[in-house]
Amino acid sequence: NAGVTQTPKFQVLKTGQSMTLQCAQDMNHNSMYWYRQDPGMGLRLIYYSASEGTTDKGEVPNGYNVSRLNKREFSLRLESAAPSQTSVYFCASSGWDRGQTYEQYFGPGTRLTVT
Amino acid sequence: LAKTTQPISMDSYEGQEVNITCSHNNIATNDYITWYQQFPSQGPRFIIQGYKTKVTNEVASLFIPADRKSSTLSLPRVSLSDTAVYYCLVGGRADTNAGKSTFGDGTTLTVKP
Repeated sequence: NAGVTQTPKFQVLKTGQSMTLQCAQDMNHNSMYWYRQDPGMGLRLIYYSASEGTTDKGEVPNGYNVSRLNKREFSLRLESAAPSQTSVYFCASSGWDRGQTYEQYFGPGTRLTVT
Repeated sequence: LAKTTQPISMDSYEGQEVNITCSHNNIATNDYITWYQQFPSQGPRFIIQGYKTKVTNEVASLFIPADRKSSTLSLPRVSLSDTAVYYCLVGGRADTNAGKSTFGDGTTLTVKP
């Protein structure tokens, strides 16, 4: 199993440009998440999808949109990038591990710089 | 949302036991407590999860008092490779609770030789 994969790993955008961050999981999880992590800070939830076909706002949704394309894929779109969106973006999915613990599994992250 | 409070940073030495405490005063009846570890340039990864009393696995123990308003992650005999940020997360164990728990700023543990 690849777990949670994210593309791209790095991206540099100019202010006002748009882009889509891709995320996929192969663990058959229902729930998926997008977080951002600014330098020296904790993770903040941008959007989440509790199940296929549903999406909800997290703590910091402004400036972002999401699409739960199917059970495996959850994408994050920046329509008009701003320097304040410079951050590391993590995708995660959640489910049961061996029926014992319910946990989130994270991807490797996308480092986004907006100039 | 159950808000958590942790110390910003802790220092330790190799071979010592480290205890990191998390406060979660408004924990709900069906909430579990989960701890994650994050290394630089990586996503967090699961360490341990519990509901009450004590849970132990191959890497850590989790102590939860009867009132469940706090929890303590215990790392036995830490090594340099345990230097990381540790997050306490409080929430339910179901997809219907997705998004209803939040990561705080975590505790940066530095293990010194």
